[in-house]
Amino acid sequence: AQSVTQPDIHITVSEGASLELRCNYSYGATPYLFWYVQSPGQGLQLLLKYFSGDTLVQGIKGFEAEFKRSQSSFNLRKPSVHWSDAAEYFCALSGGYSGGGADGLTFGKGTHLIIQP
Amino acid sequence: KAGVTQTPRYLIKTRGQQVTLSCSPISGHRSVSWYQQTPGQGLQFLFEYFSETQRNKGNFPGRFSGRQFSNSRSEMNVSTLELGDSALYLCASSFAGASYEQYFGPGTRLTVT
Repeated sequence: AQSVTQPDIHITVSEGASLELRCNYSYGATPYLFWYVQSPGQGLQLLLKYFSGDTLVQGIKGFEAEFKRSQSSFNLRKPSVHWSDAAEYFCALSGGYSGGGADGLTFGKGTHLIIQP
Repeated sequence: KAGVTQTPRYLIKTRGQQVTLSCSPISGHRSVSWYQQTPGQGLQFLFEYFSETQRNKGNFPGRFSGRQFSNSRSEMNVSTLELGDSALYLCASSFAGASYEQYFGPGTRLTVT
């Protein structure tokens, strides 16, 4: 069965510092991978996606992520965080199809990012 | 382009009642997926509709059902509500399908008392 693990439930970072959020996945082939962000009371916003090709992908709001097949990881990074980056971050995997339909996204439990002034 | 819209945004229902939630996808998107978000279980896939057909379903009881109309708008219905159905229900639309990037609406917060 496919799964996504985000090892850090909470992360606190000082404003202006760099950020790395960890994501590990379990899947039998190369999955499609995504990072979403959710602000309180809001839906999810897509930050970036990886389907194939270049393993370093750029997203919105200055985020990037690197796919490492050997480590089954897809970590999210940002060189300098802003107070507005405080939110819940979700890593997600798309596992393909069964019975003719997509299985939907499998999400990690999320990492709550706190920004210290 | 307008984003995904969901109505209502908040709903309070009593155990045993039924509820219908509505989702309007981004114009041109034919795939609509529904997810349930709870503090304990996180985000879980309910089902996907593509061109009015349910293509796949997550591990939820038959009380959870849905449909999609010819204009791609989708509704989700939950019958015989239980306290555990209290959750944020998120709708996501996609041009190519639920395995590709999906765009989420703001969600409907359902509280069952």
